[in-house]
Amino acid sequence: NAGVTQTPKFQVLKTGQSMTLQCAQDMNHEYMSWYRQDPGMGLRLIHYSVGAGITDQGEVPNGYNVSRSTTEDFPLRLLSAAPSQTSVYFCASSYRGLAGNSYNEQFFGPGTRLTVL
Amino acid sequence: RKEVEQDPGPFNVPEGATVAFNCTYSNSASQSFFWYRQDCRKEPKLLMSVYSSGNEDGRFTAQLNRASQYISLLIRDSKLSDSATYLCVVFKAAGNKLTFGGGTRVLVKP
Repeated sequence: NAGVTQTPKFQVLKTGQSMTLQCAQDMNHEYMSWYRQDPGMGLRLIHYSVGAGITDQGEVPNGYNVSRSTTEDFPLRLLSAAPSQTSVYFCASSYRGLAGNSYNEQFFGPGTRLTVL
Repeated sequence: RKEVEQDPGPFNVPEGATVAFNCTYSNSASQSFFWYRQDCRKEPKLLMSVYSSGNEDGRFTAQLNRASQYISLLIRDSKLSDSATYLCVVFKAAGNKLTFGGGTRVLVKP
């Protein structure tokens, strides 16, 4: 199993450009999520999905869109990049997510380092 | 005040020594607690869960103090390979909320 994969590993954008960060998992996990990690801030949840066709907003959703057309893929779209979106982005998946008053271990991808100029 | 706070460190630890550090959380309704490990420029990985009675996993011991609202991680006989950032993670079932601390950096030196 490849686990959780993310592409690209690095990306530089100019302000106003759009792009899609790719995330895929081959563990048949229902729950997938996107985080951003900034120095000293911890990981903050952007969007998450509890299954194909279902997405919801996290803590910091503005400026980002997601979709979940298949169980395996969960792309994150930056609509119009801003310097404040310079960050490291992690995709994560877990078997059943956080539902039902239970916690399931999150498996993270290797991250995408994004710089917006 | 942040919901989950950690001393960012770094904690400089001689090889073979013991190091301990805490994580405080502000929401008393928090239900589950975890330590994740993150190596430099890598993704976080689950190190261990933290149980009410305290638990050990080899050289690692985790404790929970609900009255004072903190969890701790102790590393005995530190190895060079223990150098990493340790993330405190708190889960609150109501609202399905998972909150990460900013991490504590540990540097083990020969």
